[in-house]
Amino acid sequence: KAGVTQTPRYLIKTRGQQVTLSCSPISGHRSVSWYQQTPGQGLQFLFEYFSETQRNKGNFPGRFSGRQFSNSRSEMNVSTLELGDSALYLCASSLAKGGWTEAFFGQGTRLTVV
Amino acid sequence: AQKVTQAQTEISVVEKEDVTLDCVYETRDTTYYLFWYKQPPSGELVFLIRRNSFDEQNEISGRYSWNFQKSTSSFNFTITASQVVDSAVYFCALSEAPGAQKLVFGQGTRLTINP
Repeated sequence: KAGVTQTPRYLIKTRGQQVTLSCSPISGHRSVSWYQQTPGQGLQFLFEYFSETQRNKGNFPGRFSGRQFSNSRSEMNVSTLELGDSALYLCASSLAKGGWTEAFFGQGTRLTVV
Repeated sequence: AQKVTQAQTEISVVEKEDVTLDCVYETRDTTYYLFWYKQPPSGELVFLIRRNSFDEQNEISGRYSWNFQKSTSSFNFTITASQVVDSAVYFCALSEAPGAQKLVFGQGTRLTINP
């Protein structure tokens, strides 16, 4: 079965712009989580969506937002981009049916802010 | 607060050597989950193992083995007879909430296996 698909794979944006990243989860998975990976801060949890509702949120400014659609696809948006937002953004999907279920990660979107 | 520490930033060994990656965690919860993920150069995180806080039994999967010790809050990962294909960044992670998919990751250990 198809894995987690993130688009685009690479993105270059200018400081001050906004960007939208997309994540298509594995079919049947209802939970989508987003993580930011940078050399300095490592892997940090951004937020999780389950059945179109944000269920958990990490410690990021309000410029970072997300949403989930009825087909479980998710988007994250970063407004007013800063140089420090340059990172690999990873999306993970899981069944999330009671207990903890394995999270499958996509290959990520590498965002460069210039 | 939750915290995961991987003190080894980089490890380099010669093929066929055994190597252990250390992971120490902090949590106030009595119920939690521990994980190891592998990140190859392609970028995606590959799930290796999950352990819940009630199961301290060690696990072996082929050349991989994991040692979970609640007394020392450690969850170490050993690769036996390492191979070049094992070269990657390895992350240890912790989740406190069983229903919510939120992982706290360590900083990762970059493992290089030299032929």
